[in-house]
Amino acid sequence: QSVLTQPPSVSGAPGQRVTISCTGSSSNIGAGYDVHWYQQLPGTAPKLLIYDNNNRPSGVPDRFSGSKSGTSASLAISGLQAEDEADYYCQSYDSSLSGSYVFGTGTKVTVL
Amino acid sequence: QVQLVQSGSELKKPGASVKVSCKASGYTFTNYAMNWVRQAPGQGLEWMVWINTNTGNPTYAQGFTGRFVFSLDTSVSTAYLQISSLKTEDTAVYYCARGSGPPDAFEIWGQGTMVTVSS
Repeated sequence: QSVLTQPPSVSGAPGQRVTISCTGSSSNIGAGYDVHWYQQLPGTAPKLLIYDNNNRPSGVPDRFSGSKSGTSASLAISGLQAEDEADYYCQSYDSSLSGSYVFGTGTKVTVL
Repeated sequence: QVQLVQSGSELKKPGASVKVSCKASGYTFTNYAMNWVRQAPGQGLEWMVWINTNTGNPTYAQGFTGRFVFSLDTSVSTAYLQISSLKTEDTAVYYCARGSGPPDAFEIWGQGTMVTVSS
């Protein structure tokens, strides 16, 4: 089961800013491991959105930004657009589980 | 371009086996790790394993040993996931994803393979 907790859903009107939290513990985010974020559009494979806490791969709009503090991380989407409606997952590494990756529970972003 | 192309959807009966393939192209296969991720219908992402493509050594998540076998054929840049003694709860989309090994991100994903287990 997931050890990174995200809100099930967030919503916003076009143009607004929304944030998604990702809460972990001292064995993953709090241990200093980087957090990555993925966007999964309906019916498609996940796509890397943010890596190493706050870095965007080439081609990802700068409307997307990430941050990390303590045992939590956040993804912010500014200037929300209809095409941003998707599921978002955080990911990190957990040293307590024989060395393994862990995903967040996932957040559905709805554009009103 | 760099891509991972997975085999097509499968429909299997309980107790049968299935083998899913993931063919890499556009990069040197053994320069990157390979991961497998499961997504049950309507559920989130679940990491299954990461494989050192140089040594073939896998590191499994809890619950993905025994019936789950992960293998490589480096001569054709392909990773495989085989599941034996299928159960209805194995019904899911299975993704392969390229990374650089823990704790790095998964930069490239396959399109996913839907495995349906039903009598």
